[in-house]
Amino acid sequence: DVKVTQSSRYLVKRTGEKVFLECVQDMDHENMFWYRQDPGLGLRLIYFSYDVKMKEKGDIPEGYSVSREKKERFSLILESASTNQTSMYLCASRPQGPGANVLTFGAGSRLTVL
Amino acid sequence: GESVGLHLPTLSVQEGDNSIINCAYSNSASDYFIWYKQESGKGPQFIIDIRSNMDKRQGQRVTVLLNKTVKHLSLQIAATQPGDSAVYFCAENKQAGTALIFGKGTTLSVSS
Repeated sequence: DVKVTQSSRYLVKRTGEKVFLECVQDMDHENMFWYRQDPGLGLRLIYFSYDVKMKEKGDIPEGYSVSREKKERFSLILESASTNQTSMYLCASRPQGPGANVLTFGAGSRLTVL
Repeated sequence: GESVGLHLPTLSVQEGDNSIINCAYSNSASDYFIWYKQESGKGPQFIIDIRSNMDKRQGQRVTVLLNKTVKHLSLQIAATQPGDSAVYFCAENKQAGTALIFGKGTTLSVSS
């Protein structure tokens, strides 16, 4: 069964801490994405990556950075966590190519910043 | 920016009824639409998709309708079951290879 695995399901951090959210996919997908999900706002795109070492800003990149050193791994970094970054974070991947639109999601990482 | 939106944040139905979840989109250039289902504690899962050159597509108990004239997308679930209780998201793809844009979601509650 193909998978997108987010290593941490629940995290509690303090304001100002550096936070790493890790995502690994075993489908050899080129494209990977980070969304955050908030009640009433749906899913909003933070960053995405078309390939190793490549990254593109999404709609809400402020306060976040990403790292894609290996094809299977896409990390989301909060350099200095703030309370307004308390949210559910969803990682997704898909293959490259025409017709490749469907994203496969991980189970999510729920982050609470105190 | 342009976004995909849903008409109602919540929908409550009785088991066995047919459910219709609606979505309005604003980007007439979008060529591909997807419906996702998200159960509690899980990530969104693909249900069904439709391309802009189609107006209807059927799956198992689900049908997606696309009305490009009014930029409206709907998901119909036949004989709704308690296991269908979840949050449903529509998503659009402006062009191949770009990131999906998601709507705000509709929470479907099915009572038996």
